[in-house]
Amino acid sequence: AQSVTQPDIHITVSEGASLELRCNYSYGATPYLFWYVQSPGQGLQLLLKYFSGDTLVQGIKGFEAEFKRSQSSFNLRKPSVHWSDAAEYFCAVAEPGGSARQLTFGSGTQLTVLP
Amino acid sequence: NAGVTQTPKFRVLKTGQSMTLLCAQDMNHEYMYWYRQDPGMGLRLIHYSVGEGTTAKGEVPDGYNVSRLKKQNFLLGLESAAPSQTSVYFCASRKQGGTGELFFGEGSRLTVL
Repeated sequence: AQSVTQPDIHITVSEGASLELRCNYSYGATPYLFWYVQSPGQGLQLLLKYFSGDTLVQGIKGFEAEFKRSQSSFNLRKPSVHWSDAAEYFCAVAEPGGSARQLTFGSGTQLTVLP
Repeated sequence: NAGVTQTPKFRVLKTGQSMTLLCAQDMNHEYMYWYRQDPGMGLRLIHYSVGEGTTAKGEVPDGYNVSRLKKQNFLLGLESAAPSQTSVYFCASRKQGGTGELFFGEGSRLTVL
């Protein structure tokens, strides 16, 4: 069964600093990979996704993520964090092939941004 | 452009009471899902549906029932609520095939006393 690990429960950065959120997955092949963001009191919004091709993917709000097959990782990065980026971030994996139930979420990383 | 709409957004129940959460999507998506979100546990799949008239169990189905009588609606029912069902519930939908991107509602916060 596939699984997703987000090792950092809570990260605090200063506004303007760079950010990296870690995500490791366990799956027999290369899965589809996603990062979602959840602002307080809101549902989840897709930041970016990877399913094939270039291993560095660009998303909305200036985020990017890099798929590293050798490390089974899909870390999320942003060069300069804004106060509005404070939210909870979820990594998720899906099994290629279109099966309906296979999206698995990590436990999330809460991001706090200091002024 | 409503997307995925959940009602109600907040509800307080007493142990043993029943209730239904309604999810409606206007994107003509085939697949619909109910998740619960608890602190430190991410989102866990309760039930899902691959089309009108079909439902299937997810990771944590006990204590919940679902129905999908119309393609655009997916109902989550609690027949006898328990304090362990205090949670935030999210509905999501996606189209069949593709890359699996989910579209989420804004959540329904349920408290069981």
